Amino acid sequence: GAGVSQSPSNKVTEKGKDVELRCDPISGHTALYWYRQSLGQGLEFLIYFQGNSAPDKSGLPSDRFSAERTGGSVSTLTIQRTQQEDSAVYLCASSLDVSRATEAFFGQGTRLTVV
Amino acid sequence: SQQGEEDPQALSIQEGENATMNCSYKTSINNLQWYRQNSGRGLVHLILIRSNEREKHSGRLRVTLDTSKKSSSLLITASRAADTASYFCATDAMTTGNMLTFGGGTRLMVKP
Repeated sequence: GAGVSQSPSNKVTEKGKDVELRCDPISGHTALYWYRQSLGQGLEFLIYFQGNSAPDKSGLPSDRFSAERTGGSVSTLTIQRTQQEDSAVYLCASSLDVSRATEAFFGQGTRLTVV
Repeated sequence: SQQGEEDPQALSIQEGENATMNCSYKTSINNLQWYRQNSGRGLVHLILIRSNEREKHSGRLRVTLDTSKKSSSLLITASRAADTASYFCATDAMTTGNMLTFGGGTRLMVKP
C-alpha cells in the first residue's frame, strides 16, 4: 500500500462499550507499533509486534487493552469496557526491519472519544 | 517509561531564526531518530543518526549525537512559519528489542 492506513479516523463511543481500531501497515514491514497520545502529550508506547516473535505488551495500561496481528500484516487494537480516560489519539506505525536502522511510518491515527 | 526527553518542552521564535531542540536518553542506543508531528496526527520521519555517527545534515536540519552525554540536538536553520509543529526524538536499543521509544516532544512555534 501507499502508506500505513488506520481506521476509523474518528470514533465516538459510550463509556462501557468495546471498540476495535484497525491498522494496515505497509506491505512487507515486519515491525508494527501501537502508541497512544493524549492532547499535547508525547507518545505512550502500547504494544510492539516484530515478525513472528511474541509481541511486547509491556505498554498496555490494563487488561482491557489487547491487540493482535493476523498473518503478520493487519493489526487490531481492542479496548474493552471503555473509560473516559481512554480518550486519546491511537497511532500505529510500521517499519521494514528492526534489525537494521530504518524509519517508522505512521498512520494518521484514530481519535477515540469516550463519552 | 520514556527513554528520550526533549528540552525545551515549548519554543517560540521568529521566522528566520534558528531553532535548537535537545533530546536526552538513559540507556545505550543503536540509533536515534527525529520526527515531526503536525496537528496531533501522524508523525513524519526527519532524520536518523546511528550511534557511531556524530553529526548529520538534511537540508535545513542538522542533528548531532553525543553518546558520552547520551544526548542529541536538532537544529533547524532559517526557520519558516511552516516549521511550526511538535518534534520528537526516538531511540532504539538492543536492551528493548530494538523497538522505538519516543520522548515527550518539543512544541515549536515559528512566528511570521
